[in-house]
Amino acid sequence: DTGVSQDPRHKITKRGQNVTFRCDPISEHNRLYWYRQTLGQGPEFLTYFQNEAQLEKSRLLSDRFSAERPKGSFSTLEIQRTEQGDSAMYLCASSLDGREDEQYFGPGTRLTVT
Amino acid sequence: GEDVEQSLFLSVREGDSSVINCTYTDSSSTYLYWYKQEPGAGLQLLTYIFSNMDMKQDQRLTVLLNKKDKHLSLRIADTQTGDSAIYFCARGKLIFGQGTTLQVKP
Repeated sequence: DTGVSQDPRHKITKRGQNVTFRCDPISEHNRLYWYRQTLGQGPEFLTYFQNEAQLEKSRLLSDRFSAERPKGSFSTLEIQRTEQGDSAMYLCASSLDGREDEQYFGPGTRLTVT
Repeated sequence: GEDVEQSLFLSVREGDSSVINCTYTDSSSTYLYWYKQEPGAGLQLLTYIFSNMDMKQDQRLTVLLNKKDKHLSLRIADTQTGDSAIYFCARGKLIFGQGTTLQVKP
């Protein structure tokens, strides 16, 4: 396994459009996390899954954001009706169950909303 | 993360030691972490320390934890140009500081 992968690496979209990002975790990791990172800031936790169950959501995750992990493997993060304030790097990480101290991060998807 | 704070920028000469500092307010975390982020790359876990430890050394990296003052530091010995990156302190379920940009001058 080559680590956590994310697709696309870059996305430019117009305000009001919907976008979807994909994350493929390390194959044996059953925990998957999404973070958002804006310029000059550290990553902020959005949500995490244990297998297919979404166990925690940050208050940052507005109702325009939805994340899924239907088969407990890859995950998608969708943003509906994008706003300029959604422009950020979206990071995915994965870990073994009970090892949230050892998260492995993907390269991120950089979203630019024009 | 407002409860994890770092200085924003540090510049050192190649071969010198670098010390990156972090303060936090919530002392309930079992672990405290240091991550490295290079341009265009994801975060890489460098090291972590248990909250009941005062110091951890890992090759060129030394982590010091002062629980009383809620202060964490990362010392990089013999800093190299390849160490130039943003360094993030994080606690608990990964509440991150805003990052310290380390610039290493040749």
